[in-house]
Amino acid sequence: EDQVTQSPEALRLQEGESSSLNCSYTVSGLRGLFWYRQDPGKGPEFLFTLYSAGEEKEKERLKATLTKKESFLHITAPKPEDSATYLCAVQASKAAGNKLTFGGGTRVLVKP
Amino acid sequence: GAVVSQHPSRVICKSGTSVKIECRSLDFQATTMFWYRQFPKKSLMLMATSNEGSKATYEQGVEKDKFLINHASLTLSTLTVTSAHPEDSSFYICSAMVSYNEQFFGPGTRLTVL
Repeated sequence: EDQVTQSPEALRLQEGESSSLNCSYTVSGLRGLFWYRQDPGKGPEFLFTLYSAGEEKEKERLKATLTKKESFLHITAPKPEDSATYLCAVQASKAAGNKLTFGGGTRVLVKP
Repeated sequence: GAVVSQHPSRVICKSGTSVKIECRSLDFQATTMFWYRQFPKKSLMLMATSNEGSKATYEQGVEKDKFLINHASLTLSTLTVTSAHPEDSSFYICSAMVSYNEQFFGPGTRLTVL
């Protein structure tokens, strides 16, 4: 069974204080690993897709990396508007119907 | 990016009534859509996969007769919560596949059953 574990569950940062979120996964053949951002009361917003170990992608203050067992989402010099829940999901290569398995998310609060 | 809409965004109903939620892909065609449920401060739980022109595939533990899914066109899937009860109150989110490995999510529907 595919499993995704995110840590920490919650993270409090001061504005400008860089940090990393972890997403550990167990999957029977990885087709893709996805990062989403979710604001309260809204649907997830797509951030990145990573396909193979060693791959990195960046978007503004966010950088996602991937190894064979985990992915990291690095937040560099965060601002209060980066406060959100960050969700990690995996898609197995043999996933029926191309479905995603989500982790529990990391709630990030950036204080000014 | 691809845009997915949901309607309504918020609904309050009495126990025993049925509620229909629409999920539309606005600028692309989606042969596959997904329905999720999310409890407060929890992650997304996949309920079912909706395929255009065929029956939905439900996840284990999800009642098919309780949560009726119809995917009648390439841009519209509907979720009907039949005979809703307070325990069905939740945040329901749909997503649509843009390609085999890309899903874009709708804004969600908050259902409150009194």
